[in-house]
Amino acid sequence: DAGVIQSPRHEVTEMGQEVTLRCKPISGHNSLFWYRQTMMRGLELLIYFNNNVPIDDSGMPEDRFSAKMPNASFSTLKIQPSEPRDSAVYFCASSLSGTRTDTQYFGPGTRLTVL
Amino acid sequence: AQKVTQAQTEISVVEKEDVTLDCVYETRDTTYYLFWYKQPPSGELVFLIRRNSFDEQNEISGRYSWNFQKSTSSFNFTITASQVVDSAVYFCAFISNFGNEKLTFGTGTRLTIIP
Repeated sequence: DAGVIQSPRHEVTEMGQEVTLRCKPISGHNSLFWYRQTMMRGLELLIYFNNNVPIDDSGMPEDRFSAKMPNASFSTLKIQPSEPRDSAVYFCASSLSGTRTDTQYFGPGTRLTVL
Repeated sequence: AQKVTQAQTEISVVEKEDVTLDCVYETRDTTYYLFWYKQPPSGELVFLIRRNSFDEQNEISGRYSWNFQKSTSSFNFTITASQVVDSAVYFCAFISNFGNEKLTFGTGTRLTIIP
């Protein structure tokens, strides 16, 4: 079975440009998470969806970040406009149930570099 | 508030040696879950194990074993007869079953196996 799929795997963009990261969760999973990993702050939860509904977006850094989940098999994380401090690895994860304590399975990540 | 500490930032051992990675957590809750994830040089996060606070039995999976001790709030991970492919950053994570806590990751331990 396919795991969590993320695209692109690498993204290099210039400051001010819009960036869209994509995620396809494991089929049948009901929860989806977006994380950001940096050397300084480690792994941070940005937003959490359950049954396509955003449940907790308290980790979203600022209004430049937005996330959507239009259906059970697709989610996007958009940064507009991007800034150099947004450079990080962005992970998408999914879990089977709607409980926060369920095991989260991570995608391969998208390495974002903002010049 | 919940907290996870991985005091060992980096460990290097010679191949075939055994190595233990430490994880200590802090919580006032009685029901919680602990996880270990592996992040190899390729960057993805790989799920290894999930344990709940009511199951203190040690777990063994091949060369991997986990020692959960509530008395010391620890959930340590041992690799027996280490191999070069075990080289990775290992993260311990914790989440309480109460409230709206997020999965909290430790800062990770970088393990290098020397051939």
